[in-house]
Formats: sequence, C-alpha cells, structure tokens
Amino acid sequence: SAVISQKPSRDICQRGTSLTIQCQVDSQVTMMFWYRQQPGQSLTLIATANQGSEATYESGFVIDKFPISRPNLTFSTLTVSNMSPEDSSIYLCSVRDPGQGPYEQYFGPGTRLTVT
Amino acid sequence: SQQGEEDPQALSIQEGENATMNCSYKTSINNLQWYRQNSGRGLVHLILIRSNEREKHSGRLRVTLDTSKKSSSLLITASRAADTASYFCATRKDTGRRALTFGSGTRLQVQP
Repeated sequence: SAVISQKPSRDICQRGTSLTIQCQVDSQVTMMFWYRQQPGQSLTLIATANQGSEATYESGFVIDKFPISRPNLTFSTLTVSNMSPEDSSIYLCSVRDPGQGPYEQYFGPGTRLTVT
Repeated sequence: SQQGEEDPQALSIQEGENATMNCSYKTSINNLQWYRQNSGRGLVHLILIRSNEREKHSGRLRVTLDTSKKSSSLLITASRAADTASYFCATRKDTGRRALTFGSGTRLQVQP
C-alpha cells in the first residue's frame, strides 16, 4: 500500500489569506485526488490531479479558489485561496494506482484547517 | 446526486455486541468499499466487495452487497472499544469518474 504524508498537519489561518497543502507519496502513482471534509460531514471530492495536465475539478469547486499542482508522480499541492471561515475543514490527499491493486484508494492523514 | 447514504447516522453499543451499518447508493458500481476514520484523522481501508460478489469476510468484519437493491451492509462482530470511529461506505462507478464517492457515514460508539 502507498504511504502518504501531508504538510501541514493542521493550521489556523486568517480570512483572506491562502494556504498551500503538500502531499507526498512514497511511490509513483498515476491517480491523485483531493477531498474536503467539513466538520461532522463526509468526504467530498474537490479535484483529480493529473501529472502533466490541469486538474479536473468537481462541480462546485473552481481552479481560482483551489489551484492544484502535480509536478511529478509522487507529489501534489492544493492551495486554498482567499480563505473564509467556511473553508474550515480537513483536506485529504488520496491516491490510487491500478498497478498496485486496481481498486483500493489510500488516504493521507489530512490537514485540519481552521479559518478565523 | 448524492451517492451513498448510510444509516444509522450514529450508533452506540456495548462492548461485545455486534454493530450493523447500512449503505445505499444510486448508480451502478464497479465495487463498494468500507473505510474507518478515527477522530477526524485519515481514512483506513477496511474491506472491498466487487459488484459480482454478494458477501465477504475479513476477521470480525462481514460485508454484504445487494446490487438489485443498491445497498450494502457492514457487520462488526464482538465489538471492542477500539472500534469506536466513523465508518464510511464508498463507491466507484463502473464508468466515468475514477475517484471514490463517499456516503454520509455512521458514527459508532462502543461503550466499554
């Protein structure tokens, strides 16, 4: 299974600022995803990060608000821009590599963001 | 549309009892997976059941899948206090989107 780390693990930010979350995987993976989990809620897919191309965003999420980079097969960043208290959530990086098992999806420990 | 609704939303049982959680979904799927999340941390994969399977076991876990009813259940037998967590079902469509779609989750509390 893939081992995923995220930085920072948590942060408290002021509204109007931006935070970049890093996701590092211990192996090369083809598919990388970013999820948001609002307090007490389930996970919602933000976007799929594809290496060498622009991320694919889900309905309700836009690139200007959540720009994503995927410079190689082991790393990605998600930026939460111009934050408001409504952005307070846990942000999770997730990967899937059909070469390592076609079905399972692995998750990082999450970044807990609080916007004041 | 929401994929994966779970019930109950919250469940409290005594240690040693069995816990059953249910999940319903709306579209055709390739597989259904169950995950556990402890205290808002990362998710741990528990078990996967393919669309052509009806039942699967892993240790104290038993998962069933009824594709005609678009529903699944997760049974945890002989529960322990350490099983206290949120449990989510997740589905992947048989076509299109490659990422998992998560249900609303069940918060399980196992009282010692």
